[in-house]
Amino acid sequence: SQTIHQWPATLVQPVGSPLSLECTVEGTSNPNLYWYRQAAGRGLQLLFYSVGIGQISSEVPQNLSASRPQDRQFILSSKKLLLSDSGFYLCAWSVSVIETQYFGPGTRLLVL
Amino acid sequence: GENVEQHPSTLSVQEGDSAVIKCTYSDSASNYFPWYKQELGKRPQLIIDIRSNVGEKKDQRIAVTLNKTAKHFSLHITETQPEDSAVYFCATLSGGYQKVTFGTGTKLQVIP
Repeated sequence: SQTIHQWPATLVQPVGSPLSLECTVEGTSNPNLYWYRQAAGRGLQLLFYSVGIGQISSEVPQNLSASRPQDRQFILSSKKLLLSDSGFYLCAWSVSVIETQYFGPGTRLLVL
Repeated sequence: GENVEQHPSTLSVQEGDSAVIKCTYSDSASNYFPWYKQELGKRPQLIIDIRSNVGEKKDQRIAVTLNKTAKHFSLHITETQPEDSAVYFCATLSGGYQKVTFGTGTKLQVIP
């Protein structure tokens, strides 16, 4: 069966510091991968999605970037964090862009 | 692009009563409609879904109905229990836009 991992689970970072969040999927090949951000008490904001290695689509312009160096690995990065980057970051995968998305456990990021 | 509206934003019901959450969408090409449940601090999890060739689907105490003509679909929870308390998100997947769009979420509180 397929499983999706994210780490770290929680992170506290100072403003201006860099960020790297990692997501990996097991048990499937060539998944579609997604990064979402959820502010406290709010909905899901799609940040990036990827349909294959090296293919990244950005939904919202911001100081974040994403990379997919391997088939089942998706990384979210920032060179300089802002206070507004705080939130719950969720990675998700799907078989295709029009199939069910399954979410990872999330990373809770607090920028101080 | 697709526009998904979800109502109500909050819903309180007595234990044992029914709860109904409704979503409307704009893209007539949308053909897959999942519902997710997100407990506090946890990841969203798929609870039920429906495709556009079906009008209703049931799974024990939960059901989803779809009206393609009116472009709305609803989640029905019967005999609510305290463990049903969570935030529920609807979503649409459009073959035309090839992406998923989430509703803004409904916070359901079941009062014992």
